[in-house]
Amino acid sequence: LAKTTQPISMDSYEGQEVNITCSHNNIATNDYITWYQQFPSQGPRFIIQGYKTKVTNEVASLFIPADRKSSTLSLPRVSLSDTAVYYCLVAPFTDKLIFGTGTRLQVFP
Amino acid sequence: NAGVTQTPKFRVLKTGQSMTLLCAQDMNHEYMYWYRQDPGMGLRLIHYSVGEGTTAKGEVPDGYNVSRLKKQNFLLGLESAAPSQTSVYFCASSPGRGISGQEYFGPGTRLTVT
Repeated sequence: LAKTTQPISMDSYEGQEVNITCSHNNIATNDYITWYQQFPSQGPRFIIQGYKTKVTNEVASLFIPADRKSSTLSLPRVSLSDTAVYYCLVAPFTDKLIFGTGTRLQVFP
Repeated sequence: NAGVTQTPKFRVLKTGQSMTLLCAQDMNHEYMYWYRQDPGMGLRLIHYSVGEGTTAKGEVPDGYNVSRLKKQNFLLGLESAAPSQTSVYFCASSPGRGISGQEYFGPGTRLTVT
């Protein structure tokens, strides 16, 4: 399974756009990139998944460059309720997910 | 539709005691997983199952056993609890890595071993 590297923590203010970048230099051809969000005392929640280029849903956007060695989760206009830990995962579409330590995002008023 | 439920929510065990954690899902998912999360850490996969009657080891399987006798249930057993197994345990299910390709998590079980 591809190893991922993401910042341990990030700070932001309400209303700002937040971009969290994840490095996965040894991503394989059949790997997908998935992001999860976890609030304290809760299980992780799926945010977005992609293979290449750009994916957008009602919560976030995921940007994946052509070489796929990194990906960026973009959260538009964050609010206090976006304070959470964000996990980047890389795995084949038919395989189990392995979580790293994630990025702890703190949003300030 | 309750999604993924876990029983119990909290439990305190003494070293050497045994217990079983129950995970149930009502989404007819094929895949089920057990993770543990220690304070300030990410989730680590203990065991998983890709279908009724099947189980497989994850990253940290030692000290745990699992069973998937029914498709909707995935049991995690601790035969002889140790303080190192103090953690929050999350169960998850997924339809398989097909078109959906995402996991749904339960609320967690907080286990303390003294």
